[in-house]
Amino acid sequence: EVQLVQSGAEVKKPGESLKISCKGSGYSFTSYWIGWVRQMPGKGLEWMGIIYPGDSDTRYSPSFQGQVTISADKSISTAYLQWSSLKASDTAMYYCVRPGWLQYYFDYWGQGTLVTVSS
Amino acid sequence: EIVLTQSPGTLSLSPGERATLSCRASQSVSSSYLAWYQQKPGQAPRLLIYGASSRATGIPDRFSGSGSGTDFTLTISRLEPEDFAVYYCQQYGSSPFTWTFGQGTKVEIK
Repeated sequence: EVQLVQSGAEVKKPGESLKISCKGSGYSFTSYWIGWVRQMPGKGLEWMGIIYPGDSDTRYSPSFQGQVTISADKSISTAYLQWSSLKASDTAMYYCVRPGWLQYYFDYWGQGTLVTVSS
Repeated sequence: EIVLTQSPGTLSLSPGERATLSCRASQSVSSSYLAWYQQKPGQAPRLLIYGASSRATGIPDRFSGSGSGTDFTLTISRLEPEDFAVYYCQQYGSSPFTWTFGQGTKVEIK
């Protein structure tokens, strides 16, 4: 069974750094892209970026380029999303997602990680 | 960049009624690249429809997708209590990689 299990909720202050994780299991982690989707409170879904763990090829949405860093450690089947300096506007639920074999849609979603940034 | 516009923003219906949700693209989209998701409160979204009209695994046949070009539709033939949720359409762009979502349609109990 394919599963994406994300790290727990975080409460941070503006300016702090953060790295959240998503562990994939039940499939070949290095053979599928894995990405991140943001959902701000009461709002819709926004694709942030995606990585291919097999060779670390990473693509970002223009809206998030330079704002976050996506990485992966294939030895432990885990993808990461990190911020070097959080802002209050980063407060959101973050989902990791795995596209299907054809990459056109996200057939598996993690449970979400709530990030709250507040002074 | 392709923009997806969903309508209506909110649909108020009763259980047993038919729901018709629209997703309009600013440019033509390959049907293969159009998907629909359902999100219930406090839950992650789940894939309903891919390739504009193919149901994902385990999705009941009261859900159907149709359309081509710039106009796509998600139809729920008879609303069950568990179908009241927010629905998002999504398109994939290959050059460069992009996944774009519509703003969502909320289906609420009338």
